[in-house]
Amino acid sequence: DTGVSQDPRHKITKRGQNVTFRCDPISEHNRLYWYRQTLGQGPEFLTYFQNEAQLEKSRLLSDRFSAERPKGSFSTLEIQRTEQGDSAMYLCASTLRGTSGRAEGEQFFGPGTRLTVL
Amino acid sequence: TQLLEQSPQFLSIQEGENLTVYCNSSSVFSSLQWYRQEPGEGPVLLVTVVTGGEVKKLKRLTFQFGDARKDSSLHITAAQPGDTGLYLCAGARGTGKLIFGQGTTLQVKP
Repeated sequence: DTGVSQDPRHKITKRGQNVTFRCDPISEHNRLYWYRQTLGQGPEFLTYFQNEAQLEKSRLLSDRFSAERPKGSFSTLEIQRTEQGDSAMYLCASTLRGTSGRAEGEQFFGPGTRLTVL
Repeated sequence: TQLLEQSPQFLSIQEGENLTVYCNSSSVFSSLQWYRQEPGEGPVLLVTVVTGGEVKKLKRLTFQFGDARKDSSLHITAAQPGDTGLYLCAGARGTGKLIFGQGTTLQVKP
């Protein structure tokens, strides 16, 4: 299966600790997106990359959050000094921008990382 | 602030019934996606609509994009227990980022 993968699937941490999540997009997808989803809500956009360049960040992405995609393939999302309000599902999605026949916005999601901050 | 309003938020029906989920916005989107999500999993893409007035069918599911590309609907015919899940609509903006509705939780009872 060559879908989007995320690791870990679940993470439990204590308030104040740092956590890092990894996303491996579909091979050759040049755009990678991070979203956050809280219970009972739809996902909310956090940031996205085209290749290795981070092109947009949401206001939701505080200074404690940082994302990288160093070689334009996998990406990491780090949260420093976690707070209980950071508890959520963190979703990664990818798409191939610029391919004819593919609609803008057609993104494929990974299974997510469920973060619980105690 | 939700730019996409989905209704209803919850729906519980009997197997065999029909249902429609609505997704409305005051904004125009370049495309609109419908996803289905199971508990603890990521959203799975069902369909993408691009052209105003477009209608797409996926077995018992019918998707329609409004003429002005601001709203969409999902109609399920003869719902089955396997249709149970969270249905999400998402509109794409210029950068490709998705704006999601809050979702419709569907429960189909056998």
